[in-house]
Amino acid sequence: QVQLVQSGAEVKKPGASVKVSCKASGPAFTTYYMHWVRQAPGQGPEWMGIINPRGDSASYAQKFQGRVTMTRDTSSSTVYMELSSLRSEDTAVYYCARNPEVGPTPRYYMDVWGKGTTVTVSS
Amino acid sequence: DVQMTQSPSTLSASVGDRVTITCRASQSVSSWLAWYQQKPGKAPKLLIYKASTLESGVPSRFSGSGSGTEFTLTISSLQPDDFATYYCQQYHSYSYTFGQGTKLEIK
Repeated sequence: QVQLVQSGAEVKKPGASVKVSCKASGPAFTTYYMHWVRQAPGQGPEWMGIINPRGDSASYAQKFQGRVTMTRDTSSSTVYMELSSLRSEDTAVYYCARNPEVGPTPRYYMDVWGKGTTVTVSS
Repeated sequence: DVQMTQSPSTLSASVGDRVTITCRASQSVSSWLAWYQQKPGKAPKLLIYKASTLESGVPSRFSGSGSGTEFTLTISSLQPDDFATYYCQQYHSYSYTFGQGTKLEIK
């Protein structure tokens, strides 16, 4: 069974960057697209973007364009999400999640989730 | 972006009750809708995808219906483990928006 293990909590100052990792255990990691979703305190989840199985293409929500970078190391079954120019509104739990559909034109939803990484932005 | 609106925001019910949560989309999302359950401090859990397909391992008391702009999640007989927050998510179009959630509380 696939498990997604995320890196630990981070505290950052406004203007800084944060890089969160998500390591997958289980079969066929390189087959799946991977999402990043965040959830601010008391709010619903918010989709940030997705990276393809090979790690050579990522799509980002317009809200995060220019501030977010998603990368993937297939050799270590790890995906990364880096968010720059942090502000207090970026304080949230950040989740990686697997897209269950594979192939050339998958539909994008999430079936396996990491436990989340809390990122706190405070001066 | 497609806006997803859930109702009610909070629902109080008792064990054994039948409950229904509604999710409305600001434009048609066909059947590309998922439902998730989230408990405090935990990640969301996929319950239903493609509006009505039950994820493997999810109890059959959960069911989903709808298409276009209106969808429902029904729990046929509430169990103690079902008290949680439920979210819908459209995956018809970028950027795959979630509803604001429905908190299911014990009456």
